[in-house]
Amino acid sequence: DTGVSQDPRHKITKRGQNVTFRCDPISEHNRLYWYRQTLGQGPEFLTYFQNEAQLEKSRLLSDRFSAERPKGSFSTLEIQRTEQGDSAMYLCASSLVGGKETQYFGPGTRLLVL
Amino acid sequence: LAKTTQPISMDSYEGQEVNITCSHNNIATNDYITWYQQFPSQGPRFIIQGYKTKVTNEVASLFIPADRKSSTLSLPRVSLSDTAVYYCLVGDYNQGGKLIFGQGTELSVKP
Repeated sequence: DTGVSQDPRHKITKRGQNVTFRCDPISEHNRLYWYRQTLGQGPEFLTYFQNEAQLEKSRLLSDRFSAERPKGSFSTLEIQRTEQGDSAMYLCASSLVGGKETQYFGPGTRLLVL
Repeated sequence: LAKTTQPISMDSYEGQEVNITCSHNNIATNDYITWYQQFPSQGPRFIIQGYKTKVTNEVASLFIPADRKSSTLSLPRVSLSDTAVYYCLVGDYNQGGKLIFGQGTELSVKP
């Protein structure tokens, strides 16, 4: 059973650089979610896709953030001109529409902006 | 989505049963109660979900009283590896959509 995978697991970057994260959901899952988690807090919703369509975006997702899911399978989350406040764990989850909609999470990508 | 309140932290010892209670006074008719477990530097892991009465699986039980304004996650005979943060979420997640996490309960299991 291949669960949700994320790449890279860790990323250190300098302020102002662009970074891109990848998420591969469970293969038959058609919904894919991105969350962000800072130390000591629960995950916060960023955005989600059903197949290729981006159905909802949080106001946390500033103009510097963009997410895509071009073929309805894997997704990428790009942060442009990173800021120190972007340092967090970025989590991806997937679920299957029509079932119990349980969201299964990946291991996360930890971003540190210096 | 209903707001949830749960203890910030709890301590237990190996072999004990741990009960974590979550309050959700504004739960809606279509809302389910879902619990996730999270270890440091890992994504949350689904534990259990229920609507009313009692649900049991291989790792936990979930007790929901008739008024559904609270719920209790029960972990039987905890071990050190159960040390984690436990999140209670309430919402109509069977229809999809975002999960709203609170701060969770940090459970510490001691030898």
